[in-house]
Amino acid sequence: NAGVTQTPKFRVLKTGQSMTLLCAQDMNHEYMYWYRQDPGMGLRLIHYSVGEGTTAKGEVPDGYNVSRLKKQNFLLGLESAAPSQTSVYFCASSSQGLRTDTQYFGPGTRLTVL
Amino acid sequence: DAKTTQPPSMDCAEGRAANLPCNHSTISGNEYVYWYRQIHSQGPQYIIHGLKNNETNEMASLIITEDRKSSTLILPHATLRDTAVYYCIVRGNFGNEKLTFGTGTRLTIIP
Repeated sequence: NAGVTQTPKFRVLKTGQSMTLLCAQDMNHEYMYWYRQDPGMGLRLIHYSVGEGTTAKGEVPDGYNVSRLKKQNFLLGLESAAPSQTSVYFCASSSQGLRTDTQYFGPGTRLTVL
Repeated sequence: DAKTTQPPSMDCAEGRAANLPCNHSTISGNEYVYWYRQIHSQGPQYIIHGLKNNETNEMASLIITEDRKSSTLILPHATLRDTAVYYCIVRGNFGNEKLTFGTGTRLTIIP
C-alpha cells in the first residue's frame, strides 16, 4: 500500500513551457486535491475532485487545469508556466466519511520556473 | 470555515509534554477541529481531530474547551522527530471539503 504518490519529485521549467504533474492513490479514495505551498506559507488549495470525472476550483486555480479520468489518478497541468508558479505542489486524497474526513498527502513536487 | 489563531513558534524540551494552543472563537456547532503537522519538506500528516469531547490516539491528545472556542494539542513525550510545523484547522463536514491551512506553529524540540 503506497498511499499517495507524486510524479515527478523535482522539475525545472522555462517560462512558457507546459507540464503535467501526476498524483496517484491506492486507497480507493473518492476525493483528491492539489495544493501549492510557497516559502513560509501554509498550503493553498488549487483544484479538487469529489469523484471520477469531476473537478472543482479551489482558492488559487488560475493558470492550472486538472483532470480526473480515473478514480486513482488526479493530474495537474500547467499550460504556460510562469515564475509565479514556482512552488512545492502537494497532492492529497480522502474518503468521504459520514461526519469526518482526513486527508493523506503525497511527498510533494518541487517546481522551479525560470 | 472558522479562522484559527496559533502562536508562530514554540520550544519544548525532549521528553517533556508539548502543549500547542489554538484559538477558534468563531467556530460553529458542526465544525470539527483538526490537527496536522508538516515535518520539513514533507507532505502534511494528519494527527487527530475532535468535535467537542477530548480525544486521544497513539500520536497525541486533543483537549477542547467546553465552549469550543479553543483547543490544545498535547504530545505527551516529545522527541526530536516531533520538530515540525503544526496546523490547527477548523472545518465543516457537509459539502465543503476544503482544509484551510494557516501558517501554523513551528515547534522545536530541544535536546
